[in-house]
Amino acid sequence: TQLLEQSPQFLSIQEGENLTVYCNSSSVFSSLQWYRQEPGEGPVLLVTVVTGGEVKKLKRLTFQFGDARKDSSLHITAAQTGDTGLYLCAGGGDSGGSNYKLTFGKGTLLTVNP
Amino acid sequence: DTAVSQTPKYLVTQMGNDKSIKCEQNLGHDTMYWYKQDSKKFLKIMFSYNNKELIINETVPNRFSPKSPDKAHLNLHINSLELGDSAVYFCASSLGGTIDYEQYFGPGTRLTVT
Repeated sequence: TQLLEQSPQFLSIQEGENLTVYCNSSSVFSSLQWYRQEPGEGPVLLVTVVTGGEVKKLKRLTFQFGDARKDSSLHITAAQTGDTGLYLCAGGGDSGGSNYKLTFGKGTLLTVNP
Repeated sequence: DTAVSQTPKYLVTQMGNDKSIKCEQNLGHDTMYWYKQDSKKFLKIMFSYNNKELIINETVPNRFSPKSPDKAHLNLHINSLELGDSAVYFCASSLGGTIDYEQYFGPGTRLTVT
């Protein structure tokens, strides 16, 4: 059973466009993290959200944690080719789960074309 | 001065063989992890160690045995390799063992079993 569903699975856009990717679950998480993974490298943490309704901005990236702490979204404004990569969400502390373990979604593979 | 390093980067071997992957972190972290990322990019925790003690052991076959000689190293030994073991294996480390701490990932080891 996969706890975190990410959509879309693949996204190909032109430079300058805006996009949103989603991370949804039926479970409540105490925190949710977003990572970006580039080809041949390990994931790198972008942000952690812990409060329902929380919005965090990282330059052109806006992260939101749902009020019920079951879902999250990542919005990128004016995408650049350097944004290309696999975006992973990961939740921890879900009901019945552990505060020691992150559960990852399957990711959204974003390609930004010049 | 790579923070989390893994060797080898690529490993090609035949079914039935035994192989090891090494991981070292120079961040002074107390907790280290092994993850498996399959061909569909799904990243799943296998093990984690805190101060050389096993704290997470997911439902991984007994053929996989982690060993932590000290806080800075966590090696993964795999016996009797099977085709399904082909994947990218990531080592990670964090300051503490809970999800509150950022995890730093290594570059991955791509294991191909033929």
